[in-house]
Amino acid sequence: DGGITQSPKYLFRKEGQNVTLSCEQNLNHDAMYWYRQDPGQGLRLIYYSQIVNDFQKGDIAEGYSVSREKKESFPLTVTSAQKNPTAFYLCASSITSLREQYFGPGTRLTVT
Amino acid sequence: EDQVTQSPEALRLQEGESSSLNCSYTVSGLRGLFWYRQDPGKGPEFLFTLYSAGEEKEKERLKATLTKKESFLHITAPKPEDSATYLCAVGNNAGNMLTFGGGTRLMVKP
Repeated sequence: DGGITQSPKYLFRKEGQNVTLSCEQNLNHDAMYWYRQDPGQGLRLIYYSQIVNDFQKGDIAEGYSVSREKKESFPLTVTSAQKNPTAFYLCASSITSLREQYFGPGTRLTVT
Repeated sequence: EDQVTQSPEALRLQEGESSSLNCSYTVSGLRGLFWYRQDPGKGPEFLFTLYSAGEEKEKERLKATLTKKESFLHITAPKPEDSATYLCAVGNNAGNMLTFGGGTRLMVKP
């Protein structure tokens, strides 16, 4: 089955620790995205990548980092510099940018 | 700057009571308007893409329409399983990102 997988589903970390969220897709999509969703709010773009080895900051990139070494994978690192990291993180992909995006199941990160 | 506003924020319907959700947008050259459904604790599920004013798309009890300033998601005779948050997003000709609205939380009571 083609799709997007995110792992883990739930993640707990202590304040001050970096944490990496996984996102993998087997849809052969060029573009991949990371969003953050806070309770009762819409999606805010953290980073996006249109092609391997290239990525751009979204609206709220501070405190986050990404890499795109393979077409299938777009991991997100939440660093200790992110002031409010507790949130629901969603990864998405599209065949090219500005086409419909398909989302993974999400990772709920809790930092205490 | 692109803007997307969805209304109402929340909508309660009785089963079978048809209604519409609104998505108003301002964008510098629309390159697509997208509707998604999101269930609690899950990723959004793609529903429709609309590209030009006058276009309509249907799927089961849902019908999306588009004008130059807004899109409507019409829900005909909803069922409790239609309860979800519905998200709208737009893309413009100049950028490579989508701008999402805040969503409408729909609750359909039996």
